[in-house]
Amino acid sequence: EDKVVQSPLSLVVHEGDTVTLNCSYEVTNFRSLLWYKQEKKAPTFLFMLTSSGIEKKSGRLSSILDKKELFSILNITATQTGDSAVYLCAVSGNTGKLIFGQGTTLQVKP
Amino acid sequence: KAGVTQTPRYLIKTRGQQVTLSCSPISGHRSVSWYQQTPGQGLQFLFEYFSETQRNKGNFPGRFSGRQFSNSRSEMNVSTLELGDSALYLCASSFRDRGDTQYFGPGTRLTVL
Repeated sequence: EDKVVQSPLSLVVHEGDTVTLNCSYEVTNFRSLLWYKQEKKAPTFLFMLTSSGIEKKSGRLSSILDKKELFSILNITATQTGDSAVYLCAVSGNTGKLIFGQGTTLQVKP
Repeated sequence: KAGVTQTPRYLIKTRGQQVTLSCSPISGHRSVSWYQQTPGQGLQFLFEYFSETQRNKGNFPGRFSGRQFSNSRSEMNVSTLELGDSALYLCASSFRDRGDTQYFGPGTRLTVL
């Protein structure tokens, strides 16, 4: 059965810290892996990864995919309180459905 | 470009009633997917529509149904509501099906009493 596992489930850091969120997956006919940020409302899109080893970057956030080892990481550098959210990893197979992990709840303290 | 819109944003119903939720995708997007989000189960896939055809369905009972219109707008219906149906229902749209980035709407918060 297809599944996505995220770790850690929750994380508390202080402003300025760097965090690494993990996502491992088992999906038939993998097509893409997506990261979303959710703050008490709809998930907002961060990155879509389809190829191994190519880092995607947006400001302080970056992500990379390893299709051989079946995992992805999301890095956030110089964290700010506004980064506090649930970060969701989702994987798409050969259908239109996204399979989501449980999410990582990040709390950034001032 | 306007984002995905969902109506209504909040709904309170009682057990046994029926409810219809609506989703308007981003202009030009032809694929609409529905998800249920609960604290215990997280985000779970309900179904996906592309060009008015249901392409995929999740593991939900037949009380959950949907459809898509020719303008790509989609509706989701839940009949004979149960307490466990209380959740945030999210709609997502994408340009193509199968692996394209999905953009989410604000969701409909359904409470079943």
